[in-house]
Amino acid sequence: DGGITQSPKYLFRKEGQNVTLSCEQNLNHDAMYWYRQDPGQGLRLIYYSQIVNDFQKGDIAEGYSVSREKKESFPLTVTSAQKNPTAFYLCASRKREGHTGELFFGEGSRLTVL
Amino acid sequence: EDKVVQSPLSLVVHEGDTVTLNCSYEVTNFRSLLWYKQEKKAPTFLFMLTSSGIEKKSGRLSSILDKKELFSILNITATQTGDSAVYLCAVGQGAQKLVFGQGTRLTINP
Repeated sequence: DGGITQSPKYLFRKEGQNVTLSCEQNLNHDAMYWYRQDPGQGLRLIYYSQIVNDFQKGDIAEGYSVSREKKESFPLTVTSAQKNPTAFYLCASRKREGHTGELFFGEGSRLTVL
Repeated sequence: EDKVVQSPLSLVVHEGDTVTLNCSYEVTNFRSLLWYKQEKKAPTFLFMLTSSGIEKKSGRLSSILDKKELFSILNITATQTGDSAVYLCAVGQGAQKLVFGQGTRLTINP
C-alpha cells in the first residue's frame, strides 16, 4: 500500500546528542514536509522540500537540518542546538501543484529528551 | 504575521449533539482551506475548500468557507463517540505552504 513511513515511532535522547528521524514515502509525491506538534498547539512547519536536492526553511528551522537526496526520502536531524526538542514530529507529502492541496501524513515520531 | 485561529480550543458534548467548529485566518496569498481530523497520530484529511459559499459535505460532516469574512466552519451533526478527536484547520499559502491553527479538541461523551 502507498503511504508515508516514519521511524522510529518513539525516541529518547540525552541532551547534547543529535538524532535523525526517518521519513520515506512511496506515493511518488514531489513535495515533502516536516512539522512539529507540541501539546495544545497546532502544527508548525520546520522544513519543506519541493524537489530533490532542494529544501526551504519553515517557521521554526533553527536547530534542525534536512536533506533530500532521493525523491522518496526526507530525513530530519534534530541537533543539539535545538533548545527544546521534546515534541511530536510529523512528516507529510503531497503532489506538486499550483494550488495547495491535500497533505498526506505519516504516523509521527515522538522524541523525548532526557 | 500569518495566523490561523480556531475556536473553541476544547469542546465537550453528549452523543447526538450537533457541534460547530470555527476557523478564522489572516494569511497572505490564500489558496485553500483544509480541515483535518487527528485522533491519535496522523491527521486524516476531511475537506479542502477554495470557493466561498459552497458547502462540502461528507456524511454527518460539512464545511463552508467565507473568503470575505476570512473564516470557515466545520459542522458535525448527530455526533458519535468516534468523532472524538482534535480537528485541525490549515490554510494553504502560496504554492506549497500550509499554516495550521491550534486545533479544537472535541470530546463526545456517551
